[in-house]
Amino acid sequence: DAGVIQSPRHEVTEMGQEVTLRCKPISGHNSLFWYRQTMMRGLELLIYFNNNVPIDDSGMPEDRFSAKMPNASFSTLKIQPSEPRDSAVYFCASSRRTSGNTGELFFGEGSRLTVL
Amino acid sequence: AQKITQTQPGMFVQEKEAVTLDCTYDTSDQSYGLFWYKQPSSGEMIFLIYQGSYDEQNATEGRYSLNFQKARKSANLVISASQLGDSAMYFCAMREPNTGNQFYFGTGTSLTVIP
Repeated sequence: DAGVIQSPRHEVTEMGQEVTLRCKPISGHNSLFWYRQTMMRGLELLIYFNNNVPIDDSGMPEDRFSAKMPNASFSTLKIQPSEPRDSAVYFCASSRRTSGNTGELFFGEGSRLTVL
Repeated sequence: AQKITQTQPGMFVQEKEAVTLDCTYDTSDQSYGLFWYKQPSSGEMIFLIYQGSYDEQNATEGRYSLNFQKARKSANLVISASQLGDSAMYFCAMREPNTGNQFYFGTGTSLTVIP
């Protein structure tokens, strides 16, 4: 099975531009998470979805960030307008929690965003 | 309060020696899961080992074992016979089913294996 697929892998943009990061979770997984990782702040949870429904978006930095999950196989994280402090690696991760499995998170390879 | 605490920002270990990475957690739930992830310099997050709160035996996966002390709320990762390829960041995490399967991560420990 394919793992979690993120695109783009690398994005360089200028301040003020819109950025859209995409994620395809593992088929059959019912939870999806967006994390941001920086040297200064470590790994931060931005938002997560259960069964396509946002459960907790308290980690979303501000109104410039938005996330959607229109169906079970696709999610987007949008930053508009982008700022240099948004430069980070953005990870998408998915999991499937049922009895008999551990429900671990499977991470994508990350999207490295640089905002100039 | 922090849900996951990793107090060792950096650790060094001699090749072939064992090393313990500390992790304590905070929850009032009876049911929860504990995880360790490895992040090498290439950046990917690799799942290593899992311990369920009801598991009576410590989890083991090859050279990795989890020293689970429920009363102390600690879930230390033990790596035996360290190899150079073990040099990486290690993250402890907890899932709480009662909070919608929220995952909480620690700040990580950077492990360097010395030849």
